[in-house]
This record gives sequence, C-alpha cells and structure tokens, in this order.
Amino acid sequence: AQSVSQHNHHVILSEAASLELGCNYSYGGTVNLFWYVQYPGQHLQLLLKYFSGDPLVKGIKGFEAEFIKSKFSFNLRKPSVQWSDTAEYFCAASDFGNEKLTFGTGTRLTIIP
Amino acid sequence: SQTIHQWPATLVQPVGSPLSLECTVEGTSNPNLYWYRQAAGRGLQLLFYSVGIGQISSEVPQNLSASRPQDRQFILSSKKLLLSDSGFYLCAWTSGKGGGKLFFGSGTQLSVL
Repeated sequence: AQSVSQHNHHVILSEAASLELGCNYSYGGTVNLFWYVQYPGQHLQLLLKYFSGDPLVKGIKGFEAEFIKSKFSFNLRKPSVQWSDTAEYFCAASDFGNEKLTFGTGTRLTIIP
Repeated sequence: SQTIHQWPATLVQPVGSPLSLECTVEGTSNPNLYWYRQAAGRGLQLLFYSVGIGQISSEVPQNLSASRPQDRQFILSSKKLLLSDSGFYLCAWTSGKGGGKLFFGSGTQLSVL
C-alpha cells in the first residue's frame, strides 16, 4: 500500500539556521510528490511539487526539495529559515496521473527569533 | 477565481446524533472533491473522494458517508455519531486535469460528547 513517512514530528530552530525535513514514500510505480504547508490560522497550501524532470524542485518562499529515487525520499530544505516559516509541513504523494494524495503525519516547525 | 466554502467552522454534537457537513466550490466545473480528517500526530487521512455527481469512493470503513448531489457540492454525513468521529474535517478539490494541486477549505472542528 502507498504510504508517506515523516520522521520529524517537531523541529525547533533559530532564525537563520538551515532546515531539512525528511520525507520518505512507499509507492509501487511512478510517483508525484508534494509538500504542503499550514501556517497558524490559515488553510493548507501547496509549497512545491515534483512530477518529472529536474529532481531539485524550487517552491515558494525560498523552499526547495530534492527527489532521490534510490532513497525513496523527497526532503524539504531551506538554507536560512525565518520566524515566519513557523508552520506545520506535510509531505504527500500520489500515483502518476492520479490526483488522490496520501499525506504524511506532518512536521511542526517552530522558529525561535 | 475559485473558492471553496466549508461550514460550520465548529460543531459540538452528542453521541448518537446525526451529522451533516457541507462543502461547496465556486469558480470551477467538474472538480474532484475530497473529504479529509486531520488528527494531531496522524496527518491527513483521506475519507472520501468524488470524480463526479453521485460518484463516491470510500477510502476507509467508518461510521461516515458522503454524497455529491450537485457538481460543486460535497456533503459528509453520519446517521449516528460516535465519540471516535471527533476531529478536524477538511474539504478539498482538485481540477481533475492531473495537476494534483489540492485546494483546501477552512475546515470543521467536530467534537462529539
């Protein structure tokens, strides 16, 4: 069965620190990968997505993620975090051509000013 | 532009009472519609999805049901609520054209007492 794992449940960083949030997936075939973010009091929104091509994907607000097929991973990175990045981050995956997403359990990111 | 409306925002219901949560989408046609439940530490669990009027797929066996009486209306129901039905319910839509980008509603916090 398809599954998505996020092993970091809560990450606390100081401003300007570098960020990497882990995401691993278990899918049988070609996969689409996503990162969604939920800022406090706001709707879930798409941060970035990977369908094909360059495995390094750039999203909004300076975030990027790298698809490493051999490791079944799609980790989210940002070189220097800001206080406004405090949010909950969800990794998600779907079968290629299918819009039905499976989400990970989420990682709560707290940035200390 | 497209918008998604979900109501009510909060709901407190006694065990054994019925439930009806409504979601409507504006500004698009033939969307795929989804009901998710978000629980702390468990991420987003897909409950139901629909690719058209009257077409409902259930992802997990449970005490809930869904209906799609109109193209842009999606309803989550229960005849008799259980304590375990408490949670945060999110409606979402995708274009159905393979892009995979989910647009979420603001959610309903359901407390069953």
